[in-house]
Amino acid sequence: DIVMTQSPDSLAVSLGERATISCKSSQRVFDNSNKKNFLAWYQQKPGQPPKLLFYWASTRESGVPDRFSGSGSGTDFTLTISSLQAEDVAVYYCQQYYNTPFTFGPGTRVDV
Amino acid sequence: QVQLVQSGADVKNPGASVKISCEAPGDTFITFYVHWVRQAPGQALEWLGVIDPSGATTNYAQMFQGRVTMTRETSTSTVYMELSSLRSDDTAVYYCATGGSSGSGFNAFEHWGQGTLVKVSS
Repeated sequence: DIVMTQSPDSLAVSLGERATISCKSSQRVFDNSNKKNFLAWYQQKPGQPPKLLFYWASTRESGVPDRFSGSGSGTDFTLTISSLQAEDVAVYYCQQYYNTPFTFGPGTRVDV
Repeated sequence: QVQLVQSGADVKNPGASVKISCEAPGDTFITFYVHWVRQAPGQALEWLGVIDPSGATTNYAQMFQGRVTMTRETSTSTVYMELSSLRSDDTAVYYCATGGSSGSGFNAFEHWGQGTLVKVSS
């Protein structure tokens, strides 16, 4: 199984400041045939299902504010919130969908 | 926009089975792979498995092999997930989610159900 790790476990950022979350996979999730990283980012707020933010590591889902960005390739990925807003308080998960079982990271809690 | 509607919360005794439904009216749902993910209280997300658009093929996480069954009724655009031999550590919110289609293969999980709380307690 591909193991996903995230750091930090949690972080507190002032409003308007940058938040950066790291995600690492135990194996490469890059597919040479379609040149894509099978890596997604989700945001989950209390009592809600996860919401897809990025797929293919850096493709923003429709409706996601552009203060969010996804980057990285191979085994190392980053989610950045360039200017934290109050509504961004949530837990963020990375996930690989390269191989089953599709595994999630342990999550990173972002607070103000 | 695909809206997935799951069945309601349930309480089960240890050793029992639970069957959760996930419905999405409309023609497009039948083209999607449907995944099941669970989240124990305060814990991370855990993938249980996936059923293909035709309902003919499933892929289950090894830790649930033998206990989980996913089925699909295309006539009613409904997918079911049954988990048997329930234990207290199966207490969780269970989600269905679409992730990929018959045209594109697997993809990230774009649409999610609202979640179904299953509590296992004697």
